Amino acid sequence: GQSLEQPSEVTAVEGAIVQINCTYQTSGFYGLSWYQQHDGGAPTFLSYNALDGLEETGRFSSFLSRSDSYGYLLLQELQMKDSASYFCAVVTDTGRRALTFGSGTRLQVQP
Amino acid sequence: ETGVTQTPRHLVMGMTNKKSLKCEQHLGHNAMYWYKQSAKKPLELMFVYSLEERVENNSVPSRFSPECPNSSHLFLHLHTLQPEDSALYLCASSQDLSLATYEQYFGPGTRLTVT
Repeated sequence: GQSLEQPSEVTAVEGAIVQINCTYQTSGFYGLSWYQQHDGGAPTFLSYNALDGLEETGRFSSFLSRSDSYGYLLLQELQMKDSASYFCAVVTDTGRRALTFGSGTRLQVQP
Repeated sequence: ETGVTQTPRHLVMGMTNKKSLKCEQHLGHNAMYWYKQSAKKPLELMFVYSLEERVENNSVPSRFSPECPNSSHLFLHLHTLQPEDSALYLCASSQDLSLATYEQYFGPGTRLTVT
């Protein structure tokens, strides 16, 4: 089967840097995606890593290590609007591409 | 706005009712999905459609019946639901079922309460 582990909650202050980790166990691994979901809102795509290394998009960066089955989302210069849930999701290919989500990490940014 | 709309946004129904959820995407995508989101649980994939053909049914009970009349519209027909079916139901689309599946566009969801 497949499993993804990420912390359930993280708290940080405005202006700080926070890292949300994701470890996974799956067959047919193809890549790792990250999504953000504000309370009452729709999940929105943030980033995707298919290769090892760091991908940077503005204040957000995402990292993948395929050999360690591990990735993380790095949020810099935190703002109050970053308070949301963040989901890692693995893309697998076992005959058909599929996206499987983790349980999500609730990030609370404090002033 | 993600280009995916869902109606209704909120729905309360009794266990003997029949109702339908509607999803429409304005992105020209070829793949559409239904997910169930319950508190403190991962998003659960329910159904996948590609070019109006159902390609996956993730062991979903028959009281949930999807319909995809064209590549822009997706419905979820509900009947004789149980209280444990109360959840947020999310519709999503992606360009296709190839590599693009990593980037899915979600609608705002329908908050369903079964009484």
